[in-house]
Amino acid sequence: EAQVTQNPRYLITVTGKKLTVTCSQNMNHEYMSWYRQDPGLGLRQIYYSMNVEVTDKGDVPEGYKVSRKEKRNFPLILESPSPNQTSLYFCASSKEGNTEAFFGQGTRLTVV
Amino acid sequence: AQSVTQPDIHITVSEGASLELRCNYSYGATPYLFWYVQSPGQGLQLLLKYFSGDTLVQGIKGFEAEFKRSQSSFNLRKPSVHWSDAAEYFCAVGRIDSNYQLIWGAGTKLIIKP
Repeated sequence: EAQVTQNPRYLITVTGKKLTVTCSQNMNHEYMSWYRQDPGLGLRQIYYSMNVEVTDKGDVPEGYKVSRKEKRNFPLILESPSPNQTSLYFCASSKEGNTEAFFGQGTRLTVV
Repeated sequence: AQSVTQPDIHITVSEGASLELRCNYSYGATPYLFWYVQSPGQGLQLLLKYFSGDTLVQGIKGFEAEFKRSQSSFNLRKPSVHWSDAAEYFCAVGRIDSNYQLIWGAGTKLIIKP
């Protein structure tokens, strides 16, 4: 089954404690991206990757890091989380950045 | 700057009534167009898409959308809503001048009255 898998689904952490949210896709897609979703703001892109070892900033990259060492995986790293990063995060993959995106189930992150 | 506007934050519709969700975009050319649905606690699922051709597009779950170039709109419709349609709906535009970005509307939350 074609899918995007992200883990964990829920995470509560403390300010400053590094964390990683994993994302994996099995569709051989070139393009992957991370979004955060906040009430009234819709989806905002954090980072994207057009291919292995190629990543670039989206609209709200501050406080986040990503890596793309393999085509299928695109982890999101918060080196020093802060409460304003409390949000719902989605990973997505697609053949190209402007075509149909397939989404993971989301990760609800709370930073206290 | 390119943008996508969903003017209605919330819409309440009675079960069995018709539905239209509005989406307008600001873009220099005809982009790729998408509607997604997000059920509570779920990820986003594609309802339908428009790349070119027939301007009336059929999607899943009985939804359709019509692209109107003159109005820069891509409104989503359903003739008769069901309680299971209660969700948040997002319109998105795929830029055709680059291949790396979708631009998203802020979403419309659909509430179904019994």
